[in-house]
Amino acid sequence: NAGVTQTPKFQVLKTGQSMTLQCAQDMNHNSMYWYRQDPGMGLRLIYYSASEGTTDKGEVPNGYNVSRLNKREFSLRLESAAPSQTSVYFCASSGNRHTEAFFGQGTRLTVV
Amino acid sequence: RKEVEQDPGPFNVPEGATVAFNCTYSNSASQSFFWYRQDCRKEPKLLMSVYSSGNEDGRFTAQLNRASQYISLLIRDSKLSDSATYLCVVDSSASKIIFGSGTRLSIRP
Repeated sequence: NAGVTQTPKFQVLKTGQSMTLQCAQDMNHNSMYWYRQDPGMGLRLIYYSASEGTTDKGEVPNGYNVSRLNKREFSLRLESAAPSQTSVYFCASSGNRHTEAFFGQGTRLTVV
Repeated sequence: RKEVEQDPGPFNVPEGATVAFNCTYSNSASQSFFWYRQDCRKEPKLLMSVYSSGNEDGRFTAQLNRASQYISLLIRDSKLSDSATYLCVVDSSASKIIFGSGTRLSIRP
């Protein structure tokens, strides 16, 4: 009954460090998404994947890379973290049209 | 023009009031519509789907207007616990959904 699982929940990085945020879903969904949400702001799409092996840029892709390893997993990588990437990151997945999207609990990332 | 647009608010209304939000979308081919609720520092969660014929769930009513390309959410007899951000969601293709930026609602005693 896990739904969408994100790890880690919290992370502090130094400027220039790299890290990968992990996301996995167990609902057999085709589409997966990475969003960032800054304080008091809405969700902004970083990347999404319509199916295994495909990824597309969203609204704010700069500074990020993604990998859709298989149908279950969609990871987000920060190669060289910057303070501007301090945010809450949400992973989501959705099935075919007319089905709702489910979110992970978020990763709170601080870059100092 | 953004694919999905919402009034960011905040809407500040007294307990017991009726409040309504609209959300416009640009893709006339969109077929799926939803309202999500997001509490502070939490992940968004589905509030209700929006069907062509409208949808009512207790104090919440969602409507779709295809001609004018907007969806609406009406909350009657608002409660303090309704304070949250409400996000509209529209599909832009068979495999992708788009979230609006959200409308902040604050209910005061």
